[in-house]
Amino acid sequence: SQTIHQWPATLVQPVGSPLSLECTVEGTSNPNLYWYRQAAGRGLQLLFYSVGIGQISSEVPQNLSASRPQDRQFILSSKKLLLSDSGFYLCAWSVKTGGGEQYFGPGTRLTVT
Amino acid sequence: QKEVEQNSGPLSVPEGAIASLNCTYSDRGSQSFFWYRQYSGKSPELIMFIYSNGDKEDGRFTAQLNKASQYVSLLIRDSQPSDSATYLCAVSARSYQKVTFGTGTKLQVIP
Repeated sequence: SQTIHQWPATLVQPVGSPLSLECTVEGTSNPNLYWYRQAAGRGLQLLFYSVGIGQISSEVPQNLSASRPQDRQFILSSKKLLLSDSGFYLCAWSVKTGGGEQYFGPGTRLTVT
Repeated sequence: QKEVEQNSGPLSVPEGAIASLNCTYSDRGSQSFFWYRQYSGKSPELIMFIYSNGDKEDGRFTAQLNKASQYVSLLIRDSQPSDSATYLCAVSARSYQKVTFGTGTKLQVIP
């Protein structure tokens, strides 16, 4: 069966510090991968998605970036965090041959102070 | 106009009743439709998906799709307090690569 991991689970970072969040998927090959952010009491905002190694599509221009160095690894980064970057960061995966259903990891709760 | 619209709630139903959650979408070319359940502080969990018009049943859950009216619903029979959560409606574009989520409806099942 497929499993998706995210770490860390929680993170408190000062404004201006760098960020690196990691997501890995087990039990599947060549998945589509996604990064979402959910602000408190808000909906899911798609940040990035990737259909393959090194292929990143950005949905929202901001101070975040994403990379996919390996087939089942997706990394979200920032050089300098802003207060507005606080939120619940979710990684998700889907198969290319399916109907688009996505499966979410446990998430990382980021607080920028 | 929002692409996927849901009433934010809260929707309160007594234990044992049927909860009815609704969703409308704007893209007529949408192909796949999903319902996710999200408990407070947790990540969304896929509970139902439907691709064609009509009803799809899975245990106490029934998803209903009407493409002509651009309307998706989720019925939860015999509602339990453990069903109390936010339910997210999601719609997939033609390419299936991206999914657009509604902001969710909060369901409260009262014991």
